[in-house]
Amino acid sequence: EDQVTQSPEALRLQEGESSSLNCSYTVSGLRGLFWYRQDPGKGPEFLFTLYSAGEEKEKERLKATLTKKESFLHITAPKPEDSATYLCAVQGSSNDYKLSFGAGTTVTVRA
Amino acid sequence: GAGVSQSPSNKVTEKGKDVELRCDPISGHTALYWYRQRLGQGLEFLIYFQGNSAPDKSGLPSDRFSAERTGESVSTLTIQRTQQEDSAVYLCASSHAGDTQYFGPGTRLTVL
Repeated sequence: EDQVTQSPEALRLQEGESSSLNCSYTVSGLRGLFWYRQDPGKGPEFLFTLYSAGEEKEKERLKATLTKKESFLHITAPKPEDSATYLCAVQGSSNDYKLSFGAGTTVTVRA
Repeated sequence: GAGVSQSPSNKVTEKGKDVELRCDPISGHTALYWYRQRLGQGLEFLIYFQGNSAPDKSGLPSDRFSAERTGESVSTLTIQRTQQEDSAVYLCASSHAGDTQYFGPGTRLTVL
């Protein structure tokens, strides 16, 4: 069974204070690792897909990286609007395409 | 273009009643997924459709839960004889098969 563990559970940052979120995973054959952002009362919003170890993707102040066992989401010089819960999910090589999610990291950025 | 839409956005029901939740996927997406998100927990997979076929129903918690899909269009998740533990946000996602899943806003179900 695919498993995803995210840490820390919560992260409080000062505006401009860079940090990283961790996503550790076990999966039988990784098809893809996904990062989503979720604001309160809304559905998850897609950020990145990573497919193989060594891959990196960037979007504004966010950068996602992938190794064979974990992924990091780096937030550089965050702003209050980056406050959200960040979800990590893996898709294994089974015949369905379901995602297995971690519990998320809730990031709060103070001005 | 239009994203995934879900209705109703909120549903309050009494224990023992049946509820239907609706999902309209992104046009052209062949795959559709239902997930459940309980308070403070990660998303939990319920069921996956490829077209109107459901090859994987393994995530449905009990036989009170069922789902159907009309062609490559709307899907309905039905919960019969609701229980308090069914209270959660029910999220629908769609994709081209195997590709990135795009989520709707969810239906918040409260069972009193």
